[in-house]
Amino acid sequence: DAGITQSPRHKVTETGTPVTLRCHQTENHRYMYWYRQDPGHGLRLIHYSYGVKDTDKGEVSDGYSVSRSKTEDFLLTLESATSSQTSVYFCAISERGEQFFGPGTRLTVL
Amino acid sequence: GENVEQHPSTLSVQEGDSAVIKCTYSDSASNYFPWYKQELGKRPQLIIDIRSNVGEKKDQRIAVTLNKTAKHFSLHITETQPEDSAVYFCAASITGGTSYGKLTFGQGTILTVHP
Repeated sequence: DAGITQSPRHKVTETGTPVTLRCHQTENHRYMYWYRQDPGHGLRLIHYSYGVKDTDKGEVSDGYSVSRSKTEDFLLTLESATSSQTSVYFCAISERGEQFFGPGTRLTVL
Repeated sequence: GENVEQHPSTLSVQEGDSAVIKCTYSDSASNYFPWYKQELGKRPQLIIDIRSNVGEKKDQRIAVTLNKTAKHFSLHITETQPEDSAVYFCAASITGGTSYGKLTFGQGTILTVHP
């Protein structure tokens, strides 16, 4: 597996609380992505980054924000978590098209 | 934006048979088509990919074909084994330029290989 880690791996939180998920890579890849995976929907892009401090919205960005202050770290923040954000979140990295995924974070919002 | 449709949603085969999963895409500018395998509770793993300047690519028991005119691509697994049982996802993207390689995924196919 490519050098990608995600933290935390599991989290249970309550509606209305802020949550931050971290993706860390050791591959020095330029591009980083956040996806969510839900039954029946496959993987959907939330936000992506094409360089330090360069980010943009994906298909399902409402309720999420991101930051990338260093090449190796890409943070996903849920400002005020809702039950509809219960999902498995995957980070991915890429340099020349091929995307490699992190181990995922299972988030439950009660 | 890009839309990727994947069929079938479930596929059941006997060990040793072949399995075929098909995907169609909508954006004719898409030029990169990867396939991922995801086992239960694991991350998606890239198993094979094809770029738009190639019609077919093979890697041992796995092959992918691309028809740019019809905008569809397929995954072929021959001599299936129980360990091939997993969820398979196709995806499409535009590499280069300002598209930044964003992937659009199909909905997935649950492949079950019976011993």
